Amino acid sequence: ETGVTQSPTHLIKTRGQQVTLRCSSQSGHNTVSWYQQALGQGPQFIFQYYREEENGRGNFPPRFSGLQFPNYSSELNVNALELDDSALYLCASSPGVAGGEQYFGPGTRLTVT
Amino acid sequence: DAKTTQPNSMESNEEEPVHLPCNHSTISGTDYIHWYRQLPSQGPEYVIHGLTSNVNNRMASLAIAEDRKSSTLILHRATLRDAAVYYCILRDPRGSQGNLIFGKGTKLSVKP
Repeated sequence: ETGVTQSPTHLIKTRGQQVTLRCSSQSGHNTVSWYQQALGQGPQFIFQYYREEENGRGNFPPRFSGLQFPNYSSELNVNALELDDSALYLCASSPGVAGGEQYFGPGTRLTVT
Repeated sequence: DAKTTQPNSMESNEEEPVHLPCNHSTISGTDYIHWYRQLPSQGPEYVIHGLTSNVNNRMASLAIAEDRKSSTLILHRATLRDAAVYYCILRDPRGSQGNLIFGKGTKLSVKP
């Protein structure tokens, strides 16, 4: 059974640019959640996708957007990058939307200069 | 989701038990208590969860107070690999959103 994978591992972008991060969910999981983790802080919920539809969103602006594909993999897109977007971006998959255990990937470290 | 309070940091010696406390005085009757941990340079990892009764699994034990306003994660014999940030999280399975609300957690250091 393959776990959650994310790509790329590290990324450096310039302020104002756009970035796309990718996540492959664990086999059999139809739900993907994205989190942002700033240095020294706990992860903060960005949004969740369930069966290709957004199923909830945290306190993040619209320039953070996402997609989920029929195979349940997912993308996180961030437009107009700001310096404060520098963080570890974590993807987690789960077999459903409510209450269950979430399985996290290793994350993508994004640096905005 | 209700809020939890944890100490910022704790230290333990290798091969000794570790008791990580969590206060959740505003817990509701339907909130489950979940614990995740995050090892350095990795994503969070599920540890254990429970509702009212104490729970055991291969990683740890969860002791829940009778009034459910606090709980303790117990690592029976700490190893160097257990050095991580431990997060205590309350989740209501009735919620339509499965997001986890993380605090700052407790950073556990394990000394050889």
